[in-house]
Amino acid sequence: ETGVTQTPRHLVMGMTNKKSLKCEQHLGHNAMYWYKQSAKKPLELMFVYSLEERVENNSVPSRFSPECPNSSHLFLHLHTLQPEDSALYLCASSQVVAGPHNEQFFGPGTRLTVL
Amino acid sequence: KQEVTQIPAALSVPEGENLVLNCSFTDSAIYNLQWFRQDPGKGLTSLLLIQSSQREQTSGRLNASLDKSSGRSTLYIAASQPGDSATYLCASYSGTYKYIFGTGTRLKVLA
Repeated sequence: ETGVTQTPRHLVMGMTNKKSLKCEQHLGHNAMYWYKQSAKKPLELMFVYSLEERVENNSVPSRFSPECPNSSHLFLHLHTLQPEDSALYLCASSQVVAGPHNEQFFGPGTRLTVL
Repeated sequence: KQEVTQIPAALSVPEGENLVLNCSFTDSAIYNLQWFRQDPGKGLTSLLLIQSSQREQTSGRLNASLDKSSGRSTLYIAASQPGDSATYLCASYSGTYKYIFGTGTRLKVLA
């Protein structure tokens, strides 16, 4: 595997379910990101991890819970979601967190539908 | 607060045309600006990154320019092909984990 991978690619869940999204990067990067992409809206940054430590949380509801066990893996745990949480969830990674050389690489995304 | 705007929202051109996609940003204090391509339902593919000290970057048929003073970047696509059909996104990076994305330009190249 190369680049940034995400599983599952598609997920349908009820509002009472608990599920997790997984992201893995094979680029040796030290920062990882979760984004939400809804129709007709810009990408919204949800969480940032640098060296496995959460450094950014953009007022995301607690029904989304991130986990970064090591610099290559990132999870997004989901519970009691709402239909408006249906979106494409994108994971990204970068080599450095700050600086002009910061370049993000994205995974293919997980299309989430909440019924 | 940084705002990034992309105009037009959608564009349809015949194959072979040269075209320009626009990206404007309100805060010129950026480290870099990155252009991405997104196919329907897929992730983002990085096309070009222009650092704040640079004026342009080129990759194949793509050329991106950056004018910080006017808060503008353009992506020039030469000799467009149907395979170029996708949504093109620009994102400014201002440090402190802040990537601000535009809503994209949806491009359709007609055969």
